[in-house]
Amino acid sequence: EAGVTQFPSHSVIEKGQTVTLRCDPISGHDNLYWYRRVMGKEIKFLLHFVKESKQDESGMPNNRFLAERTGGTYSTLKVQPAELEDSGVYFCASSPPRRGGSSSYEQYFGPGTRLTVT
Amino acid sequence: RKEVEQDPGPFNVPEGATVAFNCTYSNSASQSFFWYRQDCRKEPKLLMSVYSSGNEDGRFTAQLNRASQYISLLIRDSKLSDSATYLCVVGNTGGFKTIFGAGTRLFVKA
Repeated sequence: EAGVTQFPSHSVIEKGQTVTLRCDPISGHDNLYWYRRVMGKEIKFLLHFVKESKQDESGMPNNRFLAERTGGTYSTLKVQPAELEDSGVYFCASSPPRRGGSSSYEQYFGPGTRLTVT
Repeated sequence: RKEVEQDPGPFNVPEGATVAFNCTYSNSASQSFFWYRQDCRKEPKLLMSVYSSGNEDGRFTAQLNRASQYISLLIRDSKLSDSATYLCVVGNTGGFKTIFGAGTRLFVKA
């Protein structure tokens, strides 16, 4: 079974430019999450989709970040315009549809996109 | 105060040693608990879920104490390949919004 995939693996852009990150979850996983890790800090939750609906976007830092999941399959995270402090590793994760028990919450991570804003 | 707190370490142990990591969380309404392992410049990988009854997977044992809001991970017979950062993860808001600890770094030496 294929795992969570993310594209690109690395992106270097200039301040003010736009970048779009893509995540393909594990097939059949309704839940999709975006996280960010900036240098020296812990991984921070950004948002959670259930299928195409945003369930929780309380971690999105500001309105320069836009996440979409049209059709409930892959997701994109767009940063426009990028700022220096947006640099970090952006992880995507997915988990199965909600059922009883903790296994519903077990998240499987993609390899991340390393974003550098110069 | 951070929502999930871990001792950053590093823990330096010889092969074969037993090592224990602790983690505390501040939200008493937290609903799901996990240990993840992260190798350098890689993604976090799920190690195990943590239940109140405790659970064991080979050399790894995890415990949850809801009253004390405390999670532990015990690694027995450490291997060189256990060297990694161990992340304590707590799920809130129905279990889906996950809060990561900063991680505990483990080095296992021959």
